[in-house]
Amino acid sequence: GESVGLHLPTLSVQEGDNSIINCAYSNSASDYFIWYKQESGKGPQFIIDIRSNMDKRQGQRVTVLLNKTVKHLSLQIAATQPGDSAVYFCAENGVTGGGNKLTFGTGTQLKVEL
Amino acid sequence: EAGVTQSPTHLIKTRGQQVTLRCSPISGHTSVYWYQQALGLGLQFLLWYDEGEERNRGNFPPRFSGRQFPNYSSELNVNALELEDSALYLCASRQRHGGSYEQYFGPGTRLTVT
Repeated sequence: GESVGLHLPTLSVQEGDNSIINCAYSNSASDYFIWYKQESGKGPQFIIDIRSNMDKRQGQRVTVLLNKTVKHLSLQIAATQPGDSAVYFCAENGVTGGGNKLTFGTGTQLKVEL
Repeated sequence: EAGVTQSPTHLIKTRGQQVTLRCSPISGHTSVYWYQQALGLGLQFLLWYDEGEERNRGNFPPRFSGRQFPNYSSELNVNALELEDSALYLCASRQRHGGSYEQYFGPGTRLTVT
């Protein structure tokens, strides 16, 4: 069945270092992927997305890499800041009998140490 | 532009009771999604409404139901509450036609069942 999972439940990094959060997916038909950030007590917020016809996309301090061969997605955060501390979710869009549906991974807690 | 709003913010109910949660999507968005997020866990897809109809539902029992109104706002109803229904219930909206797959989340309703 469909599943999206994360390799590491918790990631601790030093302020200023780069962070890499990984995600594995199993639905090879997924055509779109999103990374969300969820701060404590808030709803998830969009960070960056990537379509399956791309292998890299850059935003402000963030880069998403997609490796369709091994069904792997990663989020890279440059110069990690204390405000980056949050839970990060990857999500894949797959077409089901009922239409498009986002499937979310478990999430990775990113902790930024000063 | 106003974001997705949800009410109430917090709710405490006892086992066996019924609850109704409300969501107002971003203006112009016709799709509304409901998710359940148990403490420390990922997002579990509950329901998807678009143009007033239920398009898809996740693996939840029938006591979880909802509806979407002509103004695209939505309600989530949970009957016969159980202790394990305690969670953050998130609503998200999307502009189904001409937009991306990105879903915009509200702040959530924290439901505690005692």
